[in-house]
Amino acid sequence: DAKTTQPNSMESNEEEPVHLPCNHSTISGTDYIHWYRQLPSQGPEYVIHGLTSNVNNRMASLAIAEDRKSSTLILHRATLRDAAVYYCLNHNAGNMLTFGGGTRLMVKP
Amino acid sequence: NAGVTQTPKFRVLKTGQSMTLLCAQDMNHEYMYWYRQDPGMGLRLIHYSVGEGTTAKGEVPDGYNVSRLKKQNFLLGLESAAPSQTSVYFCASSYPLDGRTEAFFGQGTRLTVV
Repeated sequence: DAKTTQPNSMESNEEEPVHLPCNHSTISGTDYIHWYRQLPSQGPEYVIHGLTSNVNNRMASLAIAEDRKSSTLILHRATLRDAAVYYCLNHNAGNMLTFGGGTRLMVKP
Repeated sequence: NAGVTQTPKFRVLKTGQSMTLLCAQDMNHEYMYWYRQDPGMGLRLIHYSVGEGTTAKGEVPDGYNVSRLKKQNFLLGLESAAPSQTSVYFCASSYPLDGRTEAFFGQGTRLTVV
């Protein structure tokens, strides 16, 4: 079972960049790296995913290490609405989405 | 376009009662899932379905049953509720998972068993 490791919590100041790390020590060559987030009292929502190259979308950027053993979700300017639990997952065609404990991001005004 | 809709949003049950949670999606997704989330924890997969008429067990299936009679609906049943089933239940749906596919989640059902 491919698991990931994330810090339990992180703090950021509003309007500053946030780098959320994830270790993918058991990732396989066909696993995509996915990030989801869960706002308070809501279901998880998809943020971004990638395989080997760095990825950008309207919500965030994803930086993937060359050996793919780690990734970093980058929020370029944190807002209070970004306060959430962020989950990173290894994901491929052979498994269902498996969520770990995630990182609780707190954003200070 | 409603996405994934869960019914009901809240429910209180007495120990031993039964109930059914309904999940409906309007995105024509093949795959559907039921997760539970206990306070301060991540999501754990209960059951899932890869198509109409099919179901499979996830990580924590005991005490639950599911049915997928129609492609757009996935039902989660509790035959005899126990306090340990107090949790928030999330339904999700997606196209077939190939690593690049994202899942869409409902807003959750908060269930309390007393």
